[in-house]
Amino acid sequence: AQSVTQLGSHVSVSEGALVLLRCNYSSSVPPYLFWYVQYPNQGLQLLLKYTTGATLVKGINGFEAEFKKSETSFHLTKPSAHMSDAAEYFCAVSPGSSNTGKLIFGQGTTLQVKP
Amino acid sequence: KAGVTQTPRYLIKTRGQQVTLSCSPISGHRSVSWYQQTPGQGLQFLFEYFSETQRNKGNFPGRFSGRQFSNSRSEMNVSTLELGDSALYLCASSFTGTSSYEQYFGPGTRLTVT
Repeated sequence: AQSVTQLGSHVSVSEGALVLLRCNYSSSVPPYLFWYVQYPNQGLQLLLKYTTGATLVKGINGFEAEFKKSETSFHLTKPSAHMSDAAEYFCAVSPGSSNTGKLIFGQGTTLQVKP
Repeated sequence: KAGVTQTPRYLIKTRGQQVTLSCSPISGHRSVSWYQQTPGQGLQFLFEYFSETQRNKGNFPGRFSGRQFSNSRSEMNVSTLELGDSALYLCASSFTGTSSYEQYFGPGTRLTVT
């Protein structure tokens, strides 16, 4: 069965510092992977996705993620944190073509950005 | 293009009552998925509808049901509410619902059961 593990429920960085949010997945089929962000009292906003092709994926707001099959990882990074990046981040995997409309989410990582 | 809309945004119900939540997908999207978000269990998949048919279902009791209309709008219903049903209910729309297509989420309905 597919699953997603996000290492670290809380990550704190200083403004301007590198952001690294970790995500590992398990999947018996080639995975489709996603990162979403959730601001307080809002729904989830798609940051980026990996389906096939280039393993380094660029998303919105300066975020990017690298798919590493050998490490079953899909870590999210941003070179320089901004105060507006403070939010909860979710990594998700799509289980496969027969499991339509379903995403399996990690438990989420809350990013705190200190001035 | 307008995003996914959900109504109502907030709802307070009493244990034992039933509730209906509504979701309007992005224009042209035919797949609607529903999720429950709680602090303890995180984001969990409830079910997915496509062309008025439930195609996929998560591991929730039969008190949770849904439907989809011909214009792709969807409703979910929870009968005999329990305190544990208090959660943020999110719907998401997708072009087809298949794996490679991303899902776009609405703002959610915050349900409080007292």
